[in-house]
Amino acid sequence: DADVTQTPRNRITKTGKRIMLECSQTKGHDRMYWYRQDPGLGLRLIYYSFDVKDINKGEISDGYSVSRQAQAKFSLSLESAIPNQTALYFCATSDRRDRRGSYEQYFGPGTRLTVT
Amino acid sequence: DQQVKQNSPSLSVQEGRISILNCDYTNSMFDYFLWYKKYPAEGPTFLISISSIKDKNEDGRFTVFLNKSAKHLSLHIVPSQPGDSAVYFCAASAAGAQKLVFGQGTRLTINP
Repeated sequence: DADVTQTPRNRITKTGKRIMLECSQTKGHDRMYWYRQDPGLGLRLIYYSFDVKDINKGEISDGYSVSRQAQAKFSLSLESAIPNQTALYFCATSDRRDRRGSYEQYFGPGTRLTVT
Repeated sequence: DQQVKQNSPSLSVQEGRISILNCDYTNSMFDYFLWYKKYPAEGPTFLISISSIKDKNEDGRFTVFLNKSAKHLSLHIVPSQPGDSAVYFCAASAAGAQKLVFGQGTRLTINP
């Protein structure tokens, strides 16, 4: 079984709708992240969380919100979806006990979201 | 402001030859650098990393070089194989920041 799972894998929604993307992990990591990938822009950080009570904005948090329901679950919500939020969304985790301090991250398979 | 830049969107290399992917950064506080590989319909996976205290790290066919004075790193793949065809992302982290900054990615195609 995959260590980091994302649901749904694909979603088409209409402008103005609320949508939630979910991420679950079995790696036991305390840190979780949400990214979006757009062609030519790479991976950009939306939100990150270092534990259940710690939520931080990334570089492109406007229009998004998150919820850390448990150590293993981190959800991303689009309150009112707009077409320029069409992108590939990735959840990732990392381990604060990483002795190298590399902050190596482990990614889920992604959710392809289309807003029409 | 793009702190990590991969200026080549794509690269095509013949099988068996060397692939060289480049990455530049602007933030002098970055002290750890990583390369990720991404296949279609999958999430990125970690490939190789290097600390700023080193200038080279090797793992099998993959070698990463770091030139701190030029704020430049490169990934060498020798010999290149068809399975290496993927998008490669460069990423960097600063001490204490506890998060990664990614480049735009380079699509590598290995031709038989």
